[in-house]
Amino acid sequence: DAGITQSPRYKITETGRQVTLMCHQTWSHSYMFWYRQDLGHGLRLIYYSAAADITDKGEVPDGYVVSRSKTENFPLTLESATRSQTSVYFCASSAWAPGQIPYNEQFFGPGTRLTVL
Amino acid sequence: ELKVEQNPLFLSMQEGKNYTIYCNYSTTSDRLYWYRQDPGKSLESLFVLLSNGAVKQEGRLMASLDTKARLSTLHITAAVHDLSATYFCAVGLNDMRFGAGTRLTVKP
Repeated sequence: DAGITQSPRYKITETGRQVTLMCHQTWSHSYMFWYRQDLGHGLRLIYYSAAADITDKGEVPDGYVVSRSKTENFPLTLESATRSQTSVYFCASSAWAPGQIPYNEQFFGPGTRLTVL
Repeated sequence: ELKVEQNPLFLSMQEGKNYTIYCNYSTTSDRLYWYRQDPGKSLESLFVLLSNGAVKQEGRLMASLDTKARLSTLHITAAVHDLSATYFCAVGLNDMRFGAGTRLTVKP
């Protein structure tokens, strides 16, 4: 399917377990992002990536790890899940045209609802 | 640190009425985005505003940007039930910051 997909869509895990959320996009967008959405906070950026092997921290990176070995994939790993990481996680991607003013409109995936017990 | 504030956070309005959602941000930015989110769904891009004085309209929604005042508005004209959703503004380039969202309910 074209676009941006996330898996799993729902996940229940226990405190201390490692969890990986997957994000895949078919547009060959250079930029990819991970956000978490919690009531009262809107969306908060966790990590983003400008290209394969280039990642940078966002507003709330603690407790999360990312990697980007291929342009189309951007997995997010919770190394030791905590209850405070219960949230809805959204992946997004945007295009970058070198030499042009970046439009940077982000396109969002369907989200993963993660519950940590 | 960039902070983005939206108001109101909750808005209940009747069909046919007009209203404005405000988005203030704390540091200089030449771009601002508006998104819509339906309950349980993902975010849908509505507007991208890239310069001072930018105004964009789509249907009953019109967005504007005043970079000097660090203010954007989303104006709703003659609201209809289908506009019920949560609206977010977001500011920044890659390290983007979102407002908390305005939950709009349009009642008949």
